Amino acid sequence: DAKTTQPPSMDCAEGRAANLPCNHSTISGNEYVYWYRQIHSQGPQYIIHGLKNNETNEMASLIITEDRKSSTLILPHATLRDTAVYYCIVRVPQTGANNLFFGTGTRLTVIP
Amino acid sequence: KAGVTQTPRYLIKTRGQQVTLSCSPISGHRSVSWYQQTPGQGLQFLFEYFSETQRNKGNFPGRFSGRQFSNSRSEMNVSTLELGDSALYLCASSFVAGGTDTQYFGPGTRLTVL
Repeated sequence: DAKTTQPPSMDCAEGRAANLPCNHSTISGNEYVYWYRQIHSQGPQYIIHGLKNNETNEMASLIITEDRKSSTLILPHATLRDTAVYYCIVRVPQTGANNLFFGTGTRLTVIP
Repeated sequence: KAGVTQTPRYLIKTRGQQVTLSCSPISGHRSVSWYQQTPGQGLQFLFEYFSETQRNKGNFPGRFSGRQFSNSRSEMNVSTLELGDSALYLCASSFVAGGTDTQYFGPGTRLTVL
């Protein structure tokens, strides 16, 4: 079962930062937070993941609260191509358990 | 490095038929997972293969099966197709099974059952 809660939809103006929240209040100490996105009818695309420290890569930044009960994915300068469904997933690293539980995600619409 | 490839990209079948979908993982990746995506149920895990062995299985009927070859390529088969099997079937690969290893998805195969 998905263990995350995300708003169903959000809008963001092109060029502005998009901040996508995720609640994972029952996360355990060894669970990582992963973010994927899915542009219409394509395969999900990996964005970023983290355990407890903030992470940044060329696509986005991931901010995890100190108590790890929530996180925020930040797209610093949203473009129209960032319009997609964004999934927040918590996952226990476990050999032989490579199954991701996707929830309903957040549909981000970037507005010109 | 080439990404995950899936063939065919689109497929139309009729009820009662069977279908085989193919997935070629990223070079060097040994784990292949399969997912089904429908508007009603979202993305659901089907099964995972690692080193030609099924390591994990989701809650799907036995009509859904798969296998993995020695070169890590994988196939999934659906027998006795039902209308509800119409979906986007996604394959994902990773270097190892589990851990913090990241899964990378292919573009999917869109199956329509008439």
